Amino acid sequence: SQTIHQWPATLVQPVGSPLSLECTVEGTSNPNLYWYRQAAGRGLQLLFYSVGIGQISSEVPQNLSASRPQDRQFILSSKKLLLSDSGFYLCAWSVLSGSPGNEQFFGPGTRLTVL
Amino acid sequence: QKEVEQDPGPLSVPEGAIVSLNCTYSNSAFQYFMWYRQYSRKGPELLMYTYSSGNKEDGRFTAQVDKSSKYISLFIRDSQPSDSATYLCAIVQAAGNKLTFGGGTRVLVKP
Repeated sequence: SQTIHQWPATLVQPVGSPLSLECTVEGTSNPNLYWYRQAAGRGLQLLFYSVGIGQISSEVPQNLSASRPQDRQFILSSKKLLLSDSGFYLCAWSVLSGSPGNEQFFGPGTRLTVL
Repeated sequence: QKEVEQDPGPLSVPEGAIVSLNCTYSNSAFQYFMWYRQYSRKGPELLMYTYSSGNKEDGRFTAQVDKSSKYISLFIRDSQPSDSATYLCAIVQAAGNKLTFGGGTRVLVKP
């Protein structure tokens, strides 16, 4: 069965510090991978998605970047965090070529607080 | 106007009651519909997936889609305290790879 991991689970960082969040998927090959941010009490905002190694699409201009160095690894980064980067960050995967409805499966999330 | 609208709640019901949740959407190109359940401080988990108008049942859960009205619903029968969570609808265009989420409805089932 497929499993998705995210770490760290929680993170408290000062403004201006760098960020690196990691997501890995097990049990599947060539997945689509996604990064979302969820502000408190709000829906999910798609930040980046990737259909393959080195292929990143950005949905929202912002202080963040994403990379996919390996097939099942997705990294979210920032060089200098802003207060507005605080939130719950979720990684998700879906089958690359399968159901056209593109069901996505989420990881446990990373709660980031920028002080 | 948001592409997908969902009442944020909270929706409070007694144990055993039917929970009724809904979303409206504006883009008729949306073809596939999902409901996710999200417990506090956890990632969303997929509950139901459907792509046609009509009803789909899975245990205590029924998903309903009315494409002519651009309206989708989720019903939870015999609700339990463990159903207390935020429920998110998600919609995708035909053959697309991006989901558009509603803001979520918080549900509280009281024992």
